[in-house]
Amino acid sequence: KAGVTQTPRYLIKTRGQQVTLSCSPISGHRSVSWYQQTPGQGLQFLFEYFSETQRNKGNFPGRFSGRQFSNSRSEMNVSTLELGDSALYLCASSPNEQGGKEAFFGQGTRLTVV
Amino acid sequence: AQTVTQSQPEMSVQEAETVTLSCTYDTSENNYYLFWYKQPPSRQMILVIRQEAYKQQNATENRFSVNFQKAAKSFSLKISDSQLGDTAMYFCAPAGPTSGTYKYIFGTGTRLKVLA
Repeated sequence: KAGVTQTPRYLIKTRGQQVTLSCSPISGHRSVSWYQQTPGQGLQFLFEYFSETQRNKGNFPGRFSGRQFSNSRSEMNVSTLELGDSALYLCASSPNEQGGKEAFFGQGTRLTVV
Repeated sequence: AQTVTQSQPEMSVQEAETVTLSCTYDTSENNYYLFWYKQPPSRQMILVIRQEAYKQQNATENRFSVNFQKAAKSFSLKISDSQLGDTAMYFCAPAGPTSGTYKYIFGTGTRLKVLA
């Protein structure tokens, strides 16, 4: 069974641009979550989607948005990039609605904003 | 709001020895889960062990075990017979139904280095 796939693995963008990151969950998983990891702030929850609906949202500005498609694949978008958005973005998928099960993480997308 | 404290930023242990990583948390949930994840240099987060808060028995997974003290809101991880492959960042994370079961609140992590 393929794991969680995140594309691209590395990305360099210029301040003010926008970026879209993609996450393909494990087959059959309907929950997809996104996290931002930086040396200063650690791992912070961005949002979670289940069956195309956002179920949870972290404390991030509206420049950060996401969506989930009917096949459970998810994208997150960051508009008007700032230097502080440079981070490792991790996606995680989980098997069902009830939770309590582990989340399976992808290898992340390393975003550098210059 | 949930908060998680991992008070040991860095630790080291000799190969084959035992080490304990500490974690305390604060939550208003009654039913929740607790997780320890490791993040090796490859950066991929890997589940180490999982505890259900309603279970009094401490979870064990091979060389990994936890000491779960619900009243004290403490969830420490013990690694026995440490191996070089255990070198990684370790994150403690509670998750609960009210906050969203898959909304993990991660601690700041403990960097563990296993020495040969």
